[in-house]
Amino acid sequence: AQSVAQPEDQVNVAEGNPLTVKCTYSVSGNPYLFWYVQYPNRGLQFLLKYITGDNLVKGSYGFEAEFNKSQTSFHLKKPSALVSDSALYFCAVRDENSGYALNFGKGTSLLVTP
Amino acid sequence: DSGVTQTPKHLITATGQRVTLRCSPRSGDLSVYWYQQSLDQGLQFLIQYYNGEERAKGNILERFSAQQFPDLHSELNLSSLELGDSALYFCASSGPSPQKSRNEQFFGPGTRLTVL
Repeated sequence: AQSVAQPEDQVNVAEGNPLTVKCTYSVSGNPYLFWYVQYPNRGLQFLLKYITGDNLVKGSYGFEAEFNKSQTSFHLKKPSALVSDSALYFCAVRDENSGYALNFGKGTSLLVTP
Repeated sequence: DSGVTQTPKHLITATGQRVTLRCSPRSGDLSVYWYQQSLDQGLQFLIQYYNGEERAKGNILERFSAQQFPDLHSELNLSSLELGDSALYFCASSGPSPQKSRNEQFFGPGTRLTVL
């Protein structure tokens, strides 16, 4: 089955510093990978996706992600964190065995302190 | 705003009852997915409909069912509710063809179900 893992429950970073939220994947075939963000009491918002092509994917709100096939990773990054980036971040992989539904990681809580 | 709407926002009910959650996908999207988010299980895929037909099932209980209507809105029916069914239920929609689509899914704001 297609799956992703987010090894960190929480990431803390100071405002202005770079941030990284980690994700590793396990798939058969080519991975279709996604990052979503969830703010308190809100739905999931799409940030970016990797389908094919450049390993560095740029997304919304200044976020980017680096696809690394040899390390089976798809880490989310941002050069300079904002307090407003504090939220729950989910990595997901498209599962072709389940109608192309998304299999999500357990989520990583990002806390950016002033 | 993702363009996906869900009603109601909150639902409080008792064990043993039955509820219906409603979802309207983005204009033009034919696929609707239902997900459950709970503290212990995380985000789980429940069921998918495409253009009115069931396409895939995930970890959906037999007490739960769904359908997609000709106008493409979808309803998730939860019956014989148990305390453990308390969760946030999300609907998501995506583009015209799931097999060929590389599109992301757009999520609604969710319905928070509390079973007392």
